[in-house]
Amino acid sequence: SYVLTQPPSVSVAPGQTARITCGGNNIGSKSVHWYQQKPGQAPVLVVYDDKDRPSGIPERFSGSNSGNTATLTISRVEVGDEADYYCQVWDSSSDHGGCVFGGGTKVTV
Amino acid sequence: QVQLVESGGGVVQPGRSLRLSCTASGFTFSSYGMHWVRQAPGKGLEWVALISHDESNKSYGDSVKGRFTISRDNSKNTLYLQMNSLRADDTAVYYCATDEVPPGPFDHWGQGTLVTVSS
Repeated sequence: SYVLTQPPSVSVAPGQTARITCGGNNIGSKSVHWYQQKPGQAPVLVVYDDKDRPSGIPERFSGSNSGNTATLTISRVEVGDEADYYCQVWDSSSDHGGCVFGGGTKVTV
Repeated sequence: QVQLVESGGGVVQPGRSLRLSCTASGFTFSSYGMHWVRQAPGKGLEWVALISHDESNKSYGDSVKGRFTISRDNSKNTLYLQMNSLRADDTAVYYCATDEVPPGPFDHWGQGTLVTVSS
Protein backbone atom coordinates (compact mmCIF):
# COMPACT_ATOMS: atom_id res chain seq x y z
CA SER A 1 0.00 0.00 0.00
CA TYR A 2 1.02 3.58 -0.57
CA VAL A 3 2.85 5.30 2.30
CA LEU A 4 3.23 9.01 3.06
CA THR A 5 6.09 10.00 5.35
CA GLN A 6 6.11 13.22 7.37
CA PRO A 7 8.59 14.41 9.99
CA PRO A 8 7.04 14.07 13.45
CA SER A 9 7.83 17.62 14.43
CA VAL A 10 9.02 20.96 13.15
CA SER A 11 10.00 23.89 15.33
CA VAL A 12 10.05 27.46 14.05
CA ALA A 13 10.38 30.95 15.51
CA PRO A 14 7.62 33.50 15.00
CA GLY A 15 8.05 35.42 11.76
CA GLN A 16 10.20 32.71 10.19
CA THR A 17 9.27 30.12 7.56
CA ALA A 18 8.16 26.57 8.32
CA ARG A 19 8.47 23.84 5.73
CA ILE A 20 6.68 20.54 6.24
CA THR A 21 7.54 17.71 3.90
CA CYS A 22 5.45 14.75 2.79
CA GLY A 23 7.35 11.97 1.09
CA GLY A 24 5.88 9.29 -1.14
CA ASN A 25 6.85 7.24 -4.16
CA ASN A 26 6.37 9.49 -7.20
CA ILE A 27 4.05 11.71 -5.17
CA GLY A 28 4.56 14.38 -7.83
CA SER A 29 2.11 12.45 -10.01
CA LYS A 30 -0.66 12.76 -7.41
CA SER A 31 -2.73 15.62 -6.05
CA VAL A 32 -1.73 16.40 -2.47
CA HIS A 33 -4.00 18.00 0.09
CA TRP A 34 -2.95 19.48 3.44
CA TYR A 35 -4.92 19.84 6.67
CA GLN A 36 -4.30 21.82 9.83
CA GLN A 37 -5.59 20.46 13.13
CA LYS A 38 -5.39 22.46 16.34
CA PRO A 39 -5.78 20.70 19.70
CA GLY A 40 -9.35 19.62 20.38
CA GLN A 41 -10.57 20.80 16.99
CA ALA A 42 -11.50 19.20 13.69
CA PRO A 43 -9.06 19.34 10.80
CA VAL A 44 -9.24 22.25 8.37
CA LEU A 45 -8.23 22.10 4.71
CA VAL A 46 -5.43 24.63 4.11
CA VAL A 47 -4.05 23.58 0.70
CA TYR A 48 -5.59 21.36 -1.98
CA ASP A 49 -4.41 20.04 -5.32
CA ASP A 50 -0.77 20.63 -4.37
CA LYS A 51 -0.86 24.43 -4.20
CA ASP A 52 -4.37 25.91 -4.15
CA ARG A 53 -5.84 27.59 -1.08
CA PRO A 54 -9.49 27.40 -0.02
CA SER A 55 -11.31 30.63 0.57
CA GLY A 56 -10.29 32.19 3.88
CA ILE A 57 -6.87 30.56 4.13
CA PRO A 58 -4.07 33.16 4.35
CA GLU A 59 -1.60 33.52 1.50
CA ARG A 60 1.11 32.64 4.01
CA PHE A 61 0.17 29.00 3.38
CA SER A 62 1.53 27.58 0.13
CA GLY A 63 2.27 24.19 -1.32
CA SER A 64 4.44 22.50 -3.89
CA ASN A 65 4.82 18.97 -5.18
CA SER A 66 7.49 17.35 -7.33
CA GLY A 67 9.24 14.03 -7.61
CA ASN A 68 8.98 12.14 -4.34
CA THR A 69 8.26 15.09 -2.04
CA ALA A 70 5.41 17.49 -1.46
CA THR A 71 5.93 20.51 0.78
CA LEU A 72 3.66 22.77 2.77
CA THR A 73 5.29 26.13 3.45
CA ILE A 74 4.05 28.53 6.09
CA SER A 75 5.59 31.98 5.71
CA ARG A 76 5.79 34.60 8.45
CA VAL A 77 4.74 32.01 11.01
CA GLU A 78 2.41 33.14 13.78
CA VAL A 79 1.78 31.62 17.20
CA GLY A 80 -1.69 30.73 15.97
CA ASP A 81 -0.20 28.42 13.34
CA GLU A 82 0.89 25.98 16.04
CA ALA A 83 -0.94 22.76 15.15
CA ASP A 84 -0.65 19.30 13.64
CA TYR A 85 -0.47 19.20 9.86
CA TYR A 86 -1.41 16.21 7.71
CA CYS A 87 -0.85 15.53 4.02
CA GLN A 88 -3.27 13.34 2.09
CA VAL A 89 -3.57 11.73 -1.33
CA TRP A 90 -5.84 9.29 -3.12
CA ASP A 91 -4.06 6.12 -4.20
CA SER A 92 -5.72 4.70 -7.30
CA SER A 93 -3.46 1.67 -7.25
CA SER A 94 -4.98 0.18 -4.12
CA ASP A 95 -7.88 -2.25 -4.33
CA HIS A 96 -10.38 0.22 -3.00
CA GLY A 97 -8.81 3.32 -4.54
CA GLY A 98 -8.33 4.50 -1.02
CA CYS A 99 -7.32 7.59 0.82
CA VAL A 100 -3.89 7.81 2.42
CA PHE A 101 -2.88 10.24 5.17
CA GLY A 102 0.61 11.04 6.30
CA GLY A 103 1.39 10.46 9.94
CA GLY A 104 1.20 14.16 10.76
CA THR A 105 3.71 16.83 11.73
CA LYS A 106 3.47 18.84 14.92
CA VAL A 107 4.51 22.43 14.31
CA THR A 108 5.76 24.23 17.38
CA VAL A 109 6.12 28.00 17.29
CA GLN B 1 -22.17 28.41 5.88
CA VAL B 2 -21.46 24.71 5.78
CA GLN B 3 -22.35 22.94 8.98
CA LEU B 4 -21.88 19.25 9.77
CA VAL B 5 -23.04 17.84 13.09
CA GLU B 6 -22.17 14.29 14.05
CA SER B 7 -24.12 12.31 16.64
CA GLY B 8 -24.58 8.79 17.91
CA GLY B 9 -21.24 8.23 19.58
CA GLY B 10 -20.84 6.70 23.01
CA VAL B 11 -19.51 3.73 24.91
CA VAL B 12 -20.24 0.31 23.44
CA GLN B 13 -19.07 -3.19 24.27
CA PRO B 14 -16.85 -5.16 21.89
CA GLY B 15 -18.85 -7.08 19.32
CA ARG B 16 -21.84 -4.75 19.52
CA SER B 17 -23.16 -2.28 16.95
CA LEU B 18 -23.56 1.48 16.76
CA ARG B 19 -24.92 3.88 14.16
CA LEU B 20 -23.49 7.34 13.68
CA SER B 21 -25.30 10.20 11.98
CA CYS B 22 -24.06 13.41 10.38
CA THR B 23 -26.63 16.13 9.76
CA ALA B 24 -25.68 18.66 7.10
CA SER B 25 -26.80 22.21 6.42
CA GLY B 26 -25.67 25.30 4.53
CA PHE B 27 -25.01 23.55 1.21
CA THR B 28 -26.71 21.27 -1.31
CA PHE B 29 -26.09 17.98 0.46
CA SER B 30 -27.43 15.87 -2.40
CA SER B 31 -24.71 17.20 -4.73
CA TYR B 32 -21.72 16.28 -2.57
CA GLY B 33 -19.79 13.13 -1.90
CA MET B 34 -19.31 12.45 1.79
CA HIS B 35 -16.72 10.69 3.91
CA TRP B 36 -16.17 9.34 7.38
CA VAL B 37 -12.68 9.84 8.82
CA ARG B 38 -11.61 8.75 12.29
CA GLN B 39 -8.86 9.59 14.73
CA ALA B 40 -7.88 7.31 17.60
CA PRO B 41 -6.86 9.08 20.81
CA GLY B 42 -3.48 10.72 20.34
CA LYS B 43 -3.11 9.30 16.83
CA GLY B 44 -3.36 10.50 13.25
CA LEU B 45 -6.20 10.60 10.77
CA GLU B 46 -7.58 7.44 9.17
CA TRP B 47 -10.04 7.41 6.31
CA VAL B 48 -13.03 5.13 6.93
CA ALA B 49 -15.50 5.33 4.05
CA LEU B 50 -16.76 7.30 1.06
CA ILE B 51 -20.19 7.59 -0.51
CA SER B 52 -20.99 9.40 -3.73
CA HIS B 53 -23.73 12.01 -3.92
CA ASP B 54 -26.27 9.51 -5.27
CA GLU B 55 -25.07 6.42 -3.34
CA SER B 56 -23.92 4.80 -6.60
CA ASN B 57 -20.36 4.48 -5.34
CA LYS B 58 -19.22 3.37 -1.90
CA SER B 59 -15.76 2.41 -0.74
CA TYR B 60 -14.16 1.50 2.58
CA GLY B 61 -10.85 1.42 4.31
CA ASP B 62 -9.30 -2.00 4.79
CA SER B 63 -9.70 -1.96 8.57
CA VAL B 64 -13.49 -1.56 8.44
CA LYS B 65 -14.41 -3.36 5.22
CA GLY B 66 -17.15 -5.93 5.84
CA ARG B 67 -18.03 -4.49 9.25
CA PHE B 68 -19.05 -0.87 8.54
CA THR B 69 -21.65 0.42 6.08
CA ILE B 70 -21.95 3.99 4.86
CA SER B 71 -25.29 5.32 3.64
CA ARG B 72 -27.15 8.59 3.23
CA ASP B 73 -30.65 10.01 3.09
CA ASN B 74 -30.64 13.05 0.83
CA SER B 75 -34.22 13.90 1.79
CA LYS B 76 -33.03 14.35 5.38
CA ASN B 77 -29.61 15.84 4.59
CA THR B 78 -28.09 13.09 6.70
CA LEU B 79 -25.12 10.76 6.37
CA TYR B 80 -24.87 7.51 8.34
CA LEU B 81 -22.25 5.02 9.40
CA GLN B 82 -23.48 1.65 10.61
CA MET B 83 -20.72 0.03 12.64
CA ASN B 84 -21.01 -3.68 13.43
CA SER B 85 -18.71 -6.12 15.23
CA LEU B 86 -16.96 -3.26 16.98
CA ARG B 87 -13.48 -3.79 18.33
CA ALA B 88 -11.35 -1.92 20.84
CA ASP B 89 -9.24 -0.51 18.01
CA ASP B 90 -12.33 1.18 16.56
CA THR B 91 -12.19 3.59 19.50
CA ALA B 92 -11.82 7.03 17.95
CA VAL B 93 -13.38 10.37 17.20
CA TYR B 94 -15.39 9.95 14.02
CA TYR B 95 -15.65 12.93 11.67
CA CYS B 96 -17.85 13.37 8.64
CA ALA B 97 -16.47 15.49 5.81
CA THR B 98 -17.61 16.83 2.47
CA ASP B 99 -15.99 16.15 -0.90
CA GLU B 100 -17.41 18.19 -3.74
CA VAL B 101 -15.97 16.00 -6.51
CA PRO B 102 -14.80 12.68 -5.06
CA PRO B 103 -12.16 11.57 -4.73
CA GLY B 104 -10.91 14.98 -3.78
CA PRO B 105 -9.94 16.98 -0.72
CA PHE B 106 -12.11 16.95 2.38
CA ASP B 107 -13.51 20.45 2.06
CA HIS B 108 -15.40 20.78 5.33
CA TRP B 109 -15.42 18.74 8.52
CA GLY B 110 -17.79 18.27 11.40
CA GLN B 111 -16.64 18.51 15.02
CA GLY B 112 -16.68 14.77 15.48
CA THR B 113 -18.32 12.25 17.78
CA LEU B 114 -16.38 9.97 20.13
CA VAL B 115 -16.88 6.22 19.98
CA THR B 116 -15.38 4.18 22.80
CA VAL B 117 -15.38 0.41 22.49
CA SER B 118 -14.81 -1.11 25.89
CA SER B 119 -16.18 -3.82 28.14
